[in-house]
Amino acid sequence: GAGVSQTPSNKVTEKGKYVELRCDPISGHTALYWYRQSLGQGPEFLIYFQGTGAADDSGLPNDRFFAVRPEGSVSTLKIQRTERGDSAVYLCASSSQGGDNEQFFGPGTRLTVL
Amino acid sequence: GQQLNQSPQSMFIQEGEDVSMNCTSSSIFNTWLWYKQDPGEGPVLLIALYKAGELTSNGRLTAQFGITRKDSFLNISASIPSDVGIYFCAGQLEGAGSYQLTFGKGTKLSVIP
Repeated sequence: GAGVSQTPSNKVTEKGKYVELRCDPISGHTALYWYRQSLGQGPEFLIYFQGTGAADDSGLPNDRFFAVRPEGSVSTLKIQRTERGDSAVYLCASSSQGGDNEQFFGPGTRLTVL
Repeated sequence: GQQLNQSPQSMFIQEGEDVSMNCTSSSIFNTWLWYKQDPGEGPVLLIALYKAGELTSNGRLTAQFGITRKDSFLNISASIPSDVGIYFCAGQLEGAGSYQLTFGKGTKLSVIP
């Protein structure tokens, strides 16, 4: 079956612009996570959805970052007024029913802010 | 926030050699996980450990969950070229109903044929 997919695979934008990153989780997975991976680092947690609601957004770095999952499936991570420091790979993961079930990761979106 | 110290940062080994890497934390975790990440891909789970002291194998991979719940190691026996990649440890702790993962910085493994 299809794994987690993310689009676009690469995004180049200018400082100050708005970007949206999309995640399609594995069908039927109710839990969805966003992580950010900077060069040479491990992924860092951003936000966790259980169904349509953001159950834990403690990892979002500031209010320029926002994520939605309106129908409990596809999720969009939105970044306003992008800064050069936002450049990173943004990874999405999904798991069955959350909990300690395995998180399956997508290939990520590489965001470059010029 | 919580941090995992993973070592070594990188390794160059000959094909057929055994490899060992470890992870320590200042915090206790309920679950320790080991992932492998290839270029342009997301991390893929190799081994999950759920109980302090647990020793688990997956083919040539063996991992252990430390007794103190603050550390874990991963061993790879008889390395082969396809073992090349970046290995990450990750700790998982339920907080506010979330099962977010806290990752180490990774160990980059290179295998010389």
